[in-house]
Amino acid sequence: QSALTQPASVSGSPGQSITISCTGTNSDLDTYSYVSWYQQHPGKAPKLMIYDVSRRPSGVSNRFSGSKSGNTASLTISGLQAEDESDYYCSSCTTNSTWVFGGGTKLTVL
Amino acid sequence: QVQLQESGPGLVKPSETLSLTCTVSGGSISSYYWSWIRQPPGKGLEWIGYISYSGTTNYNPSLESRVTISVDTSKNQFYLNLSSVTAADTAVYYCARQGGYQSPFQHWGQGTLVIVSS
Repeated sequence: QSALTQPASVSGSPGQSITISCTGTNSDLDTYSYVSWYQQHPGKAPKLMIYDVSRRPSGVSNRFSGSKSGNTASLTISGLQAEDESDYYCSSCTTNSTWVFGGGTKLTVL
Repeated sequence: QVQLQESGPGLVKPSETLSLTCTVSGGSISSYYWSWIRQPPGKGLEWIGYISYSGTTNYNPSLESRVTISVDTSKNQFYLNLSSVTAADTAVYYCARQGGYQSPFQHWGQGTLVIVSS
């Protein structure tokens, strides 16, 4: 199975909105809506931010939203804050009931 | 609130077997799926495999020949064995809980660094 494709880095200024894309194949994103997004600060475990394309776990800010079209999922963060600076990973269940992650995107808040 | 804690040797010699334990507290290991995920230093996340409370397993095809995940419900623990390790297996290893095999990784352990070196 191949890793999902994410941009290596994105950046934005405080208050702005950014979107991180995640592209897969017909073995994962194009077939299923079991895509999730994780935030990982340096030296910390990943934290679930979005699951099932667009659902937010309890406690996650509504500034985080997700969507999917075909084989591409997207994470949008609105009203950027300094604390959002982190690495973000997408993940999807595959047709073999395995899981695959994206390569990760480093978000810089300017 | 469920908590997960990885434990095991921090240093493993090449060609040997890496063995880790994940201890679950604050909840039962039953009725969920349990995964191992790793992250080489400075790199991205890689899913290793999962096991259900009943023992159903599924592994990353790229690691399947070397991986075994098992569970002991009486101890509220599950385990990772990765055989024939090389330097490429050096990583932080995380255990995580899923609601089902298609559910996200909602709860994570803090991770444990395993270095493969002679």
